[in-house]
Parts: sequence; C-alpha cells; structure tokens
Amino acid sequence: QVQLQESGPGLVKPSETLSVTCTVSGGSVSSRSYYWSWIRQPPGKGLEWIGYMYYSGSTNYNPSLKSRVTISLDTSKNQFSLKLSSVTAADTAVYYCAGGTYYYASVWGQGTLVTVSS
Amino acid sequence: DIVLTQSPGTLSLSPGERATLSCRASQSVSRTYLAWYQQKPGQAPRLLIYGASSRATGIPDRFSGSGSGTDFTLTISRLEPEDFAVYYCQQYGNSPPLAFGPGTIVDIK
Repeated sequence: QVQLQESGPGLVKPSETLSVTCTVSGGSVSSRSYYWSWIRQPPGKGLEWIGYMYYSGSTNYNPSLKSRVTISLDTSKNQFSLKLSSVTAADTAVYYCAGGTYYYASVWGQGTLVTVSS
Repeated sequence: DIVLTQSPGTLSLSPGERATLSCRASQSVSRTYLAWYQQKPGQAPRLLIYGASSRATGIPDRFSGSGSGTDFTLTISRLEPEDFAVYYCQQYGNSPPLAFGPGTIVDIK
C-alpha cells in the first residue's frame, strides 16, 4: 500500500522559489505503475493540477504554470519534489502530492500548506 | 481546452436520500478519462470513480458513475452521514492534461 507524505517550508517570501518534497513509502518512485503528481488547492477553492513525472524522467506540466515549475525524482531517497519559482500570494495553497495513472490520481498525501508572504 | 462544469453547486439532502451530481464537459471526453473524487474538510481528495463508472478500491457500491460524451453523473444511492462532502469530477485531455471541475458541495438538509 503506497503512502505519501509531503514536507515543505510552510512560509515562502514573494519572488522566491517554493520547494516541496513528497516521501513515498510502501512503494518505489522508480515503479512503472505510477505517475507522480503535484496538485494544489488555494484556501477555500478548488483543485488545480500542477504536473507529473514518470519514472523514466518524462514530465507533463500545466501550461498555466509550466514556465515556473520543475518536478524531479530522487530515487536514492524515494522522494519526488516540486519547485515553483517567482511565487506570489496567488501561489498560497495546500500542495498535495499524488500517485496514479496519467489520467487519474489514486493515492494522495495529506497535503501541506504553503503561504507566500513577506 | 476542455472546461468542466459541475451542477448543482450545492446539494442539500438528508441521510438516506439519493444524490445525483452532474459533470458537463465543453467538448467530448472519453469515458476512460473521466474520474470523480470526494473531499472532506481538512482532508485530501479520495478517488471514488475512474473510467466514468469503475469504483476505486474500497469504495462502497452506493457510489456509481455513468455517462459519456459531454455528460457524466455521479450517483450516491442512499446518503450516509460520512458522504457529506465536496465532490469533484476530473478529466484527462490535451491542455491541461488533467483538469478538475469546480466541485459540488453535498451538505445536510
């Protein structure tokens, strides 16, 4: 049973880079069975898919965020990470990591709130 | 870009009643690529339905999905107290590859 756990800074200053990590347990980030996604949810609002990465290194990003997003895998730590650059208050959200196929997410982390504020 | 619209925005029902939630796409979506999620306050979303009508692991059979083309439906046959939550549909397409609808709130009448 794959389980996911996000970790992040909690608070990021405007214009800086947001970094969040997801630790995978009960499975491997090198598994061919999962696409590893990041999804966010601003407070009181709906869900926005950010992007995903496959074990092969291929990625797919939301065009609205593509210029600022990097998703990477660290097989040695069994983790995958999100970096979002040049953040503004509009990037304040709960950030979820998730795993699944390329067309749905079947396992989710509990989420981590990242606030962008000076 | 395919845009998903969910209706109603809020559905107020009593335990034991039937809930019917709608998800409409601006363009045709393959049944394979339509999913439904449930989210309770303070929790991560949970996959309920994939492929428009297949229940995810551990999902009770009171949850069912149907539809094709541009119109999809999530039905909860008899609402249990734990079913009061927000429900999102989600499609896979071209741009962006994954997109969610705005959600339907199912609350207690």
